[in-house]
Amino acid sequence: AQSVTQLGSHVSVSEGALVLLRCNYSSSVPPYLFWYVQYPNQGLQLLLKYTSAATLVKGINGFEAEFKKSETSFHLTKPSAHMSDAAEYFCAVDRREGNYQLIWGAGTKLIIKP
Amino acid sequence: GAGVSQSPSNKVTEKGKDVELRCDPISGHTALYWYRQSLGQGLEFLIYFQGNSAPDKSGLPSDRFSAERTGGSVSTLTIQRTQQEDSAVYLCASTPRVSETQYFGPGTRLLVL
Repeated sequence: AQSVTQLGSHVSVSEGALVLLRCNYSSSVPPYLFWYVQYPNQGLQLLLKYTSAATLVKGINGFEAEFKKSETSFHLTKPSAHMSDAAEYFCAVDRREGNYQLIWGAGTKLIIKP
Repeated sequence: GAGVSQSPSNKVTEKGKDVELRCDPISGHTALYWYRQSLGQGLEFLIYFQGNSAPDKSGLPSDRFSAERTGGSVSTLTIQRTQQEDSAVYLCASTPRVSETQYFGPGTRLLVL
């Protein structure tokens, strides 16, 4: 069965520092992987997705993620954090079988320190 | 174009009452999902509709929860005899096809007193 693990319910970085949000998955089939972001008092929106093309995926707002099959990881990074990046980030894997549900991680709240 | 809309945006109800939550997906999207997001937790899958196929109800937490989708478009999630633990944000998402990006509505914040 597929599952998604996000390490750290809260991650705090200084403005200008590297952002690294970790996501590990388990999947019995080649997965599609997603990162969604939820800004305060806003709905979820897609940040980026991996669908078996390039392993390095670029998303909105300067974020990118790299699919590493050997490590079963899809970590999200941004070279330089901005105050506006403060939000909750969710990693998800698409089952791509059965009824095509997204399996969601528990989320990581990113805190930006001035 | 219009995104996914949900109504009401907020709902306060008394324990034991029934509530109906509505979702209007993006026009033409065949797949529709309902999720529940409790405070400080991730998304919990509830139910999934795809076209005319039988819905996947495997995520519904109890038989007090039900959902329908009329005409392949609007969906209603009904919670009967609400309990305090039902308090959460209920999110709806639609997608044009399976394995595609899900587009989320703003959610309905339900508070059961």
